[in-house]
Amino acid sequence: DTAVSQTPKYLVTQMGNDKSIKCEQNLGHDTMYWYKQDSKKFLKIMFSYNNKELIINETVPNRFSPKSPDKAHLNLHINSLELGDSAVYFCASSQEDGYTFGSGTRLTVV
Amino acid sequence: QKEVEQDPGPLSVPEGAIVSLNCTYSNSAFQYFMWYRQYSRKGPELLMYTYSSGNKEDGRFTAQVDKSSKYISLFIRDSQPSDSATYLCAIFKAAGNKLTFGGGTRVLVKP
Repeated sequence: DTAVSQTPKYLVTQMGNDKSIKCEQNLGHDTMYWYKQDSKKFLKIMFSYNNKELIINETVPNRFSPKSPDKAHLNLHINSLELGDSAVYFCASSQEDGYTFGSGTRLTVV
Repeated sequence: QKEVEQDPGPLSVPEGAIVSLNCTYSNSAFQYFMWYRQYSRKGPELLMYTYSSGNKEDGRFTAQVDKSSKYISLFIRDSQPSDSATYLCAIFKAAGNKLTFGGGTRVLVKP
C-alpha cells in the first residue's frame, strides 16, 4: 500500500496549457507539502498545508494553486505553463516522526 | 547564501570504503537534522534524523551534528554499490513547520 501517491508520474505538455497533479496520503498525517526539484536536484518547498489550511507559501508564482479538499489530499494546479516549470514535483506528508515523500511527477513543458 | 549548503559531488568511492558526507547551515533556529537518500527517479527516503549535537548510529550509518559549528555529517561504513544515490541533508525548523534541504551529494560506489 503506497503511503504517499502522486498522479501522474510523467506529464508532457505544451507551453500555455493548464495542468493538475494529484496527491493522496494514507498515513493519517496532518501536514502535506509540495516540493519542486529542479534539474540540479535542488529540492525547494512550495506549499505546506496543515489540516486543509495553507501554512507555507514560498514565493511561488500565483499560476500555481494548491487545493486541499481534505487532510489526505493535496492537489496542485498550474495555469499557463512555462518552460521553466519543467521539474520534478514531489508531494510529501509529515507527522512528528518525519516526512514521507511520494515518488514524484516529472513535468516537461515543451 | 543558501540556508543549507552541501557539496554536489559526485563522490566516487570503491566498494567497502567509508563514505563521508557533510552539510553546513546558517540558521541557529534549526532544530532537527535529517539525512535523506534519493535513488534516480524516486522520491527521497528518510535515512536518519537527530536533534542534538553528537553522534547517532544506525547499522552502517552514523549521523553527526555539531551545533556550535553548524555542521552535520553522514558516514556510511562498508559502502556497497546499492548505496549509490544522491544524499540530501535536511534541516527542520519547528516554527513554520518547514524542512529545508541541501542541494544533495551524488555518491557512486564502484564494485
